[in-house]
Amino acid sequence: AQSVTQLDSHVSVSEGTPVLLRCNYSSSYSPSLFWYVQHPNKGLQLLLKYTSAATLVKGINGFEAEFKKSETSFHLTKPSAHMSDAAEYFCVVSVKNDYKLSFGAGTTVTVRA
Amino acid sequence: ETGVTQSPTHLIKTRGQQVTLRCSSQSGHNTVSWYQQALGQGPQFIFQYYREEENGRGNFPPRFSGLQFPNYSSELNVNALELDDSALYLCASSLRLAGTDTQYFGPGTRLTVL
Repeated sequence: AQSVTQLDSHVSVSEGTPVLLRCNYSSSYSPSLFWYVQHPNKGLQLLLKYTSAATLVKGINGFEAEFKKSETSFHLTKPSAHMSDAAEYFCVVSVKNDYKLSFGAGTTVTVRA
Repeated sequence: ETGVTQSPTHLIKTRGQQVTLRCSSQSGHNTVSWYQQALGQGPQFIFQYYREEENGRGNFPPRFSGLQFPNYSSELNVNALELDDSALYLCASSLRLAGTDTQYFGPGTRLTVL
């Protein structure tokens, strides 16, 4: 079985400062890892994915994440937060040939002007 | 926009009723997955359909059922609605290839059970 733990339920940053969202995963097999974002009253948008290629993954809107097998982590970062980054972020894991996605509980990001 | 559409957008039902939610997958995709997202929680996997057959199911009772049609669109049916079924229901489509497929989500259907 696979699962993810998002270490922060809420992160608050000032506009223009870095954002760090922390995620640890558990998986019996080599995982695929994803970050999705959900804006209020919207569906889920894929930010980026890791599927056993490069460990540093670049996504949309300036986000990137680094896969660290030794730490079983897949933290999401952005160098400079924008007001439009205020949303709910989900870390997600799946494994080969088990096509369901397992979601973390989510991290709410607020951006202060 | 992902090209995945869902209908209706919102729905209000009463306990004991039945509901059908619909999903049209992104062009070129052959797999549809359904998720339930309760308020303040992450989405939970309900089931997945591939080539018109159920291909994996989460921890949901049999009153949750589905269909996939030859054009890869899908329906989620819930019988004997309970108050706890109130949630956002998300559909995701993907192209099944070797290994893990990437799922693209629709905007969801907000179901309220009174």
